[in-house]
Amino acid sequence: SAVISQKPSRDICQRGTSLTIQCQVDSQVTMMFWYRQQPGQSLTLIATANQGSEATYESGFVIDKFPISRPNLTFSTLTVSNMSPEDSSIYLCSVGEIGLGEQYFGPGTRLTVT
Amino acid sequence: KQEVTQIPAALSVPEGENLVLNCSFTDSAIYNLQWFRQDPGKGLTSLLLIQSSQREQTSGRLNASLDKSSGRSTLYIAASQPGDSATYLCAATSGTYKYIFGTGTRLKVLA
Repeated sequence: SAVISQKPSRDICQRGTSLTIQCQVDSQVTMMFWYRQQPGQSLTLIATANQGSEATYESGFVIDKFPISRPNLTFSTLTVSNMSPEDSSIYLCSVGEIGLGEQYFGPGTRLTVT
Repeated sequence: KQEVTQIPAALSVPEGENLVLNCSFTDSAIYNLQWFRQDPGKGLTSLLLIQSSQREQTSGRLNASLDKSSGRSTLYIAASQPGDSATYLCAATSGTYKYIFGTGTRLKVLA
């Protein structure tokens, strides 16, 4: 299994600002995913990040709001731009390999926007 | 489009009781189904993965089954303990890498 770390673990931000969340994996992985979990809700996939290509965004999520980088096979960042209180959520990255199916999750970043 | 639901939304049981958590999915052509545990304010811990060719998986006191024809998976927890208190999530993928998550069951085991 993969060991995943995220930074920061939590943050309180003012509306209108941006926050970049980092995700680091202890091994090379093909696919990295970013999820959002709003308070009291389940997880919703934001986008899939593959190294060397543009991230693929799910319906309702756009690159201008959630730009993603994937510079190598062990690292990715998600930026939450121009934040509003509605962006207050836990943001989680996960990794998986095509054909194996199992996904592993990082500890999450708890974001509060005031 | 795959939809995943979990019943019940919340469950409170006395310590030592055996219990079953339910997960239903609409698209029977699933590739994998995975059960996770989430503690409050934390990330997800993978519990069990069932691939489409499998019927069940076991790990310690946990047993997960998969019935694709009826669109159901169950997570059986034997001899529950207070440390099992958490939210349990199931997630299904239909032939791609994208997981669709259920709504979760919030379990509380009373000492």
